[in-house]
Amino acid sequence: GAGVSQSPRYKVAKRGQDVALRCDPISGHVSLFWYQQALGQGPEFLTYFQNEAQLDKSGLPSDRFFAERPEGSVSTLKIQRTQQEDSAVYLCASSLARDTAPNEQFFGPGTRLTVL
Amino acid sequence: GDSVTQMEGPVTLSEEAFLTINCTYTATGYPSLFWYVQYPGEGLQLLLKATKADDKGSNKGFEATYRKETTSFHLEKGSVQVSDSAVYFCALGHTGRRALTFGSGTRLQVQP
Repeated sequence: GAGVSQSPRYKVAKRGQDVALRCDPISGHVSLFWYQQALGQGPEFLTYFQNEAQLDKSGLPSDRFFAERPEGSVSTLKIQRTQQEDSAVYLCASSLARDTAPNEQFFGPGTRLTVL
Repeated sequence: GDSVTQMEGPVTLSEEAFLTINCTYTATGYPSLFWYVQYPGEGLQLLLKATKADDKGSNKGFEATYRKETTSFHLEKGSVQVSDSAVYFCALGHTGRRALTFGSGTRLQVQP
């Protein structure tokens, strides 16, 4: 079956531009996560959805970052007025679990964002 | 807050050598512990996990034991192969907060 897919795989933006990154989770997965991975670092949590509800957005670095999952499936991470420090790989992960235990998260290949 | 510390890489080994990648953590309570692997050009994949103290996770010849007394979850493999070359991430998660906290990753290079 299909895994988590993300698009685009690579995005180059000029400083100040808005970008939108898309995530298609595994069908039927309730939980969806966004992480930011800087070069040479591990992923850092940005935000979490359970179905269409955004239950945790404590990791979003500023109000320029916005995520949505309006129908409980596809999610979009939007970054407004991009800055050079936003350059990173943005990872999406999904999980079947709806309970509170940390379960296996299935990761997409990521979108590499470069802000010039 | 929670944190995960991994040994810095790259770790370079010859094929069939013994592998240890150290991982220690700081967390309140009793987190679950994970090892993820990222092969070149691919997304992160769960390699193994342990949910309570003294549990041993194992998969594909890799093992790690949840040691609460030393707050460690070291990854081991008895005989590595070239195909094991990848970046390995240690991570922890708590019941009630589903997000994972990752270490910075350790790159493993296995030479034939």
